[in-house]
Amino acid sequence: ETGVTQTPRHLVMGMTNKKSLKCEQHLGHNAMYWYKQSAKKPLELMFVYSLEERVENNSVPSRFSPECPNSSHLFLHLHTLQPEDSALYLCASSLTSGSLFFGPGTRLTVL
Amino acid sequence: GIQVEQSPPDLILQEGANSTLRCNFSDSVNNLQWFHQNPWGQLINLFYIPSGTKQNGRLSATTVATERYSLLYISSSQTTDSGVYFCAVVGGGGSNYKLTFGKGTLLTVNP
Repeated sequence: ETGVTQTPRHLVMGMTNKKSLKCEQHLGHNAMYWYKQSAKKPLELMFVYSLEERVENNSVPSRFSPECPNSSHLFLHLHTLQPEDSALYLCASSLTSGSLFFGPGTRLTVL
Repeated sequence: GIQVEQSPPDLILQEGANSTLRCNFSDSVNNLQWFHQNPWGQLINLFYIPSGTKQNGRLSATTVATERYSLLYISSSQTTDSGVYFCAVVGGGGSNYKLTFGKGTLLTVNP
């Protein structure tokens, strides 16, 4: 399989659930990202993992917890989410800070 | 942080028409990328173009970094060009991985 893959593609969860989003890249890149896309808002960078640094958006609540075990895999652990966290969560990868390649996204609905 | 303004916000074309999308940014940049998001949510990287001109088929882009704008040209538009076009930049001085996205231009190409 090539490119950037994400699972699951759709997720419905209650506010007390714990779930994880998974991302895998097969492009030989060394940086991986989580972005959030909400209706009527620009794409918002949540986290970046690269060889040089880890970048966190300070406005992201602690109920979102990233994990990057190696350069090909990235997780986003979710717990006690709120309905306003419903959005499209996009994973991306790049070679250093070059062109960004996105996965298909996980459509998350929090009830 | 750096501001990114895209215009127009919406654009409706007949198939075969040409169009120009604009991206203005508020500070010097060392990274600028254009993306297309199709109606199913998939984001595709079109160009990595912090300066100069590039062409790829019916699409071309020009960035004039000294005047803080970039243009995306679409020629002989097709219905498959419909979707949202995003410009994203990294401002000088910040993390090279922190792309800031504009709000996008929604393009509709009618048959």
